[in-house]
Amino acid sequence: DAGVIQSPRHEVTEMGQEVTLRCKPISGHNSLFWYRQTMMRGLELLIYFNNNVPIDDSGMPEDRFSAKMPNASFSTLKIQPSEPRDSAVYFCASSRDRAETQYFGPGTRLLVL
Amino acid sequence: GEDVEQSLFLSVREGDSSVINCTYTDSSSTYLYWYKQEPGAGLQLLTYIFSNMDMKQDQRLTVLLNKKDKHLSLRIADTQTGDSAIYFCAESPAGTALIFGKGTTLSVSS
Repeated sequence: DAGVIQSPRHEVTEMGQEVTLRCKPISGHNSLFWYRQTMMRGLELLIYFNNNVPIDDSGMPEDRFSAKMPNASFSTLKIQPSEPRDSAVYFCASSRDRAETQYFGPGTRLLVL
Repeated sequence: GEDVEQSLFLSVREGDSSVINCTYTDSSSTYLYWYKQEPGAGLQLLTYIFSNMDMKQDQRLTVLLNKKDKHLSLRIADTQTGDSAIYFCAESPAGTALIFGKGTTLSVSS
């Protein structure tokens, strides 16, 4: 299997622009997770889906962040408008079920200027 | 609260043993995990232990679990410079997503 695929791997944008991060989970996995990692706050769970349905979005920082999972093989995390404090590495992970072993993608490194 | 606690940094010399400690809170966790993150990469599953076990050994890695104290440790024998990374502990509460600690940065000097 190709593992969890994320795109883009790097993104540099200007404050105020819309940013869309993409994730393809491992085939057959029913749960998908979005995380953010910064030096200051470490690894934070933003939102997770089970069978394409958002289960817990309590980690989403504010209304500028939104996530969708239109089908079992694709998810997006959108930031609109982006701000410099959104600069971080964003990881997607998937698992067979929500409480099982998670497999992480390589991450998207976002820099908002 | 739902917190997995780890110390932030550990520094060892090449060839020594490293011990990374973790405390968790949810006694319903079926599995407990150790993930490794190398610089510039995502988290990779390193090893895990089933909650009814006390110890698991895998080559240079030894995982110890004390369920009474909710304490998990990872011992790396003969630590190498390639072991320098961030190590994350995670618990798996019943019916919900894994909960990760903040990570322990292991620095190995030659």
